[in-house]
Amino acid sequence: DAMVIQNPRYQVTQFGKPVTLSCSQTLNHNVMYWYQQKSSQAPKLLFHYYDKDFNNEADTPDNFQSRRPNTSFCFLDIRSPGLGDAAMYLCATSRDRGATDTQYFGPGTRLTVL
Amino acid sequence: KNQVEQSPQSLIILEGKNCTLQCNYTVSPFSNLRWYKQDTGRGPVSLTIMTFSENTKSNGRYTATLDADTKQSSLHITASQLSDSASYICVVTNKAAGNKLTFGGGTRVLVKP
Repeated sequence: DAMVIQNPRYQVTQFGKPVTLSCSQTLNHNVMYWYQQKSSQAPKLLFHYYDKDFNNEADTPDNFQSRRPNTSFCFLDIRSPGLGDAAMYLCATSRDRGATDTQYFGPGTRLTVL
Repeated sequence: KNQVEQSPQSLIILEGKNCTLQCNYTVSPFSNLRWYKQDTGRGPVSLTIMTFSENTKSNGRYTATLDADTKQSSLHITASQLSDSASYICVVTNKAAGNKLTFGGGTRVLVKP
């Protein structure tokens, strides 16, 4: 029944060691989003894919990259994690980018950087 | 600047009691407003969505109101249950910015037996 799946749920990495977070969806939605949410803060949009079209937010650091090899999967790559990148990473999907298209969120991956 | 402000930041209520959460926004042009519920360690789940012309929308024990003139919304929880303990996030869609979502900081609700 899970519609937006994120793996792993918890990820521990070392300072500077590349890490990849995974998101998959069974909704066949066109749009997939990655958000960063730090403790007690609102989610912050990093980027999104509209089909194969990548849309980066202006203030997203170059350290964060993404890949979407097919409709179902999207990956978040952090090339050199810093201590400040420790956060919950949320993946979301929506059918389209219209105003009334609801975003469905996954359970998140909590990233710890040692 | 497009902002969404929520109050209170947190509240504690007894099981069975009602509570109301507030959301004020400056996002313009406004498209719609959503309330999401986020359980600890989970992703947000949409509760309600309201467009400019809608004043109230219910989802079970959750009732949201919207005053688009004053740019205020509220979420009322009736007869609270322990499972209502979560963060409630007000999210406004900015029509001009590619329908980008602007999130409020959330209200953390704790329901005690």
